[in-house]
Amino acid sequence: GAVVSQHPSWVICKSGTSVKIECRSLDFQATTMFWYRQFPKQSLMLMATSNEGSKATYEQGVEKDKFLINHASLTLSTLTVTSAHPEDSSFYICSGNGRAYEQYFGPGTRLTVT
Amino acid sequence: GESVGLHLPTLSVQEGDNSIINCAYSNSASDYFIWYKQESGKGPQFIIDIRSNMDKRQGQRVTVLLNKTVKHLSLQIAATQPGDSAVYFCAVSPPGGGNKLTFGTGTQLKVEL
Repeated sequence: GAVVSQHPSWVICKSGTSVKIECRSLDFQATTMFWYRQFPKQSLMLMATSNEGSKATYEQGVEKDKFLINHASLTLSTLTVTSAHPEDSSFYICSGNGRAYEQYFGPGTRLTVT
Repeated sequence: GESVGLHLPTLSVQEGDNSIINCAYSNSASDYFIWYKQESGKGPQFIIDIRSNMDKRQGQRVTVLLNKTVKHLSLQIAATQPGDSAVYFCAVSPPGGGNKLTFGTGTQLKVEL
């Protein structure tokens, strides 16, 4: 149980375009979902926390107008990288909250901006 | 705030040996700690967790030790296998942070045959 999926698993886009990444909890309801970014050989950095039906809370230094997060249902959250630039190339990982503190992570989405 | 660090960025062990991965945290009020395993190109996988009211917890081939006095956390893997090769992260739930987690820098575990 507690499976989280992400789509797409990888994406290549041109600079200036927008990319949407989906995060779904497949067998549980995630009241809260988290979005992380991970650069090569580095740790996971929390970008934002999203609660179903409300606006996301962004971590300091993360541009909310650039990284649009929507958490429309208890099983789906989306991250849209708007006007992507090469420096946005990274591994984006989402997680959903299960019981208490437990977070279940998705497999990640590799974004490459050319 | 909470900062989490690991003592060694890379750990190489022989197959069959025990592995010990360490983690230090800064906020003495932190109350929940988790170890994750991340294989290349994949998301983190839960290994084991421990709450601050415990100092030891065991799972299958893994043990987590928590020393609140020195704010230190360790993950012990018994009889390390090639499939254990991955990056291991500790994560800490800071007090008052809701369900947010702060991740450590990670330790690359390499199992040599």
